[in-house]
Amino acid sequence: DAGVIQSPRHEVTEMGQEVTLRCKPISGHDYLFWYRQTMMRGLELLIYFNNNVPIDDSGMPEDRFSAKMPNASFSTLKIQPSEPRDSAVYFCASSSRGEQYFGPGTRLTVT
Amino acid sequence: DQQVKQNSPSLSVQEGRISILNCDYTNSMFDYFLWYKKYPAEGPTFLISISSIKDKNEDGRFTVFLNKSAKHLSLHIVPSQPGDSAVYFCAASYNNAGNMLTFGGGTRLMVKP
Repeated sequence: DAGVIQSPRHEVTEMGQEVTLRCKPISGHDYLFWYRQTMMRGLELLIYFNNNVPIDDSGMPEDRFSAKMPNASFSTLKIQPSEPRDSAVYFCASSSRGEQYFGPGTRLTVT
Repeated sequence: DQQVKQNSPSLSVQEGRISILNCDYTNSMFDYFLWYKKYPAEGPTFLISISSIKDKNEDGRFTVFLNKSAKHLSLHIVPSQPGDSAVYFCAASYNNAGNMLTFGGGTRLMVKP
């Protein structure tokens, strides 16, 4: 199994632009999680899905952030418009039960 | 309110010695605990876990201890190796949380040759 796949690995964009991060979970996993890691706040959960349905989005910082999971093998996290304070590493993880398996992350830099 | 805390941001240990990483939690509903290891430019990888019905779980050089009364868990690595140098996160969940994990802030372990 290829593990959780995220793209792009790095993204540099200008303030105000739309950013879309992509995730392909491990086949057969029915939970998908989006996290953000920053120096100040550590690893924080943004939103998670179960069977493609958003269950808890209380960690999504603002309305500028949105996430979708149109099918069991794909999810997106969109930021529109992006701001410099959104600069962070964004991780996607999937699980079936117990431990979560993380992707390599997307390093986002908003200038 | 941080429900899972790792009070030591960093730890330095000599190769061959024991590394002890600590984690405290406040939510008494947590019943499953995990440790993750993270190398730079990679996602966290699962290391070891323990259920609240146990007080110890061992896997090779890694042992996790759980003290429910103190709401404390620790990860022991013995002997420590330079390749163990990474950031270690503890995480916790409970049965009705839908696989949701609450992570601590991480401890950076440096194992010196």
